[in-house]
Amino acid sequence: AQSVAQPEDQVNVAEGNPLTVKCTYSVSGNPYLFWYVQYPNRGLQFLLKYITGDNLVKGSYGFEAEFNKSQTSFHLKKPSALVSDSALYFCAVRDTGGGNKLTFGTGTQLKVEL
Amino acid sequence: SAVISQKPSRDICQRGTSLTIQCQVDSQVTMMFWYRQQPGQSLTLIATANQGSEATYESGFVIDKFPISRPNLTFSTLTVSNMSPEDSSIYLCSVEVGSKNIQYFGAGTRLSVL
Repeated sequence: AQSVAQPEDQVNVAEGNPLTVKCTYSVSGNPYLFWYVQYPNRGLQFLLKYITGDNLVKGSYGFEAEFNKSQTSFHLKKPSALVSDSALYFCAVRDTGGGNKLTFGTGTQLKVEL
Repeated sequence: SAVISQKPSRDICQRGTSLTIQCQVDSQVTMMFWYRQQPGQSLTLIATANQGSEATYESGFVIDKFPISRPNLTFSTLTVSNMSPEDSSIYLCSVEVGSKNIQYFGAGTRLSVL
């Protein structure tokens, strides 16, 4: 079985400061890892993915994530947060040996304040 | 990527009735997925719908309650049958395009059952 944990329900950060949204995963095989963002009353938007290769993955809107196999983590980061980054962020995992099923974390509400 | 249109965007329904949600994609896709997002919670996969075959339901979801049609490669419907207040959720469809292992989501249908 595959699972994802997002240990923080909410993350608060001041605009201009770096942000980190944490994610850990569990799969039986090799993972495909994803980050999505959800703005109020809208669907999920794809931010970035890790399939293979470089552990540091760059995505949309200046976000990046670092895959750490030994810690089974895939934390989302941004060097300088914007107020417009305030949204709900979901981490998701797919087990490469388990078909196309995506399993989502519980989500982390990011609040960026002036 | 893909442009995914969902209808209706929201609805308020009486218990015991049924609602059919439509999902239209701007390109041909093999795999379409239906998710449920209960208030304040993460996304849960209901079923995977491939054109030309019966939908595959996840544990806890049954065809009698959530019948799905997939008549062609650009369209699918999900029906929520005999609704109760517990069915109040956001229902989202997603598609996987090409071989990039990325699911793209529609804006969702916000359902309230009275």
